[in-house]
Amino acid sequence: AQSVSQHNHHVILSEAASLELGCNYSYGGTVNLFWYVQYPGQHLQLLLKYFSGDPLVKGIKGFEAEFIKSKFSFNLRKPSVQWSDTAEYFCAVNARTGFQKLVFGTGTRLLVSP
Amino acid sequence: DADVTQTPRNRITKTGKRIMLECSQTKGHDRMYWYRQDPGLGLRLIYYSFDVKDINKGEISDGYSVSRQAQAKFSLSLESAIPNQTALYFCATSDSRTGRYGYTFGSGTRLTVV
Repeated sequence: AQSVSQHNHHVILSEAASLELGCNYSYGGTVNLFWYVQYPGQHLQLLLKYFSGDPLVKGIKGFEAEFIKSKFSFNLRKPSVQWSDTAEYFCAVNARTGFQKLVFGTGTRLLVSP
Repeated sequence: DADVTQTPRNRITKTGKRIMLECSQTKGHDRMYWYRQDPGLGLRLIYYSFDVKDINKGEISDGYSVSRQAQAKFSLSLESAIPNQTALYFCATSDSRTGRYGYTFGSGTRLTVV
């Protein structure tokens, strides 16, 4: 079964600081990888996704993530955060074949101070 | 209109009461899911349905039941609500024909059991 670890539970940054949120997964087969964002009081929105090809994927709002297969990692990055990036971020993975159950990490709560 | 609609958005109920959360979708997706979100625990799968006649338990199904009334409708019931079922509940859909685009989430139902 898949599992996902997000090591940073809470991150506090000042505006314009760079962001990197860690995500590691465990699964023996081929996976799809996702980052979702949840702004305060809102539902989950897809930030970016990786299926295959270029391991560096770009998403909305200037976010990007890099898939490093040898490390089973899919870290989220943004060069310069804004106050509006304050949200909770979830890494998720599902198997490419068979049941597509999406397994989530426990989330990272990001607070960006002005 | 939203692709995945959940009703109600907020609900306060008393311990022991039966409550139903409803989900409908216009995506034409065949697979539907119910997750609950708790602080620090991420999202956990309650039930999932591959089609109208195929319903399966997720990792935390105790105390819950579901009904897939049509391809577009998937409801979650708490037969006798208890306080530790206080959580944010999300319905989601996916398309088995692709498996590549992650899930589409509803806006969530915030349930409080007092």
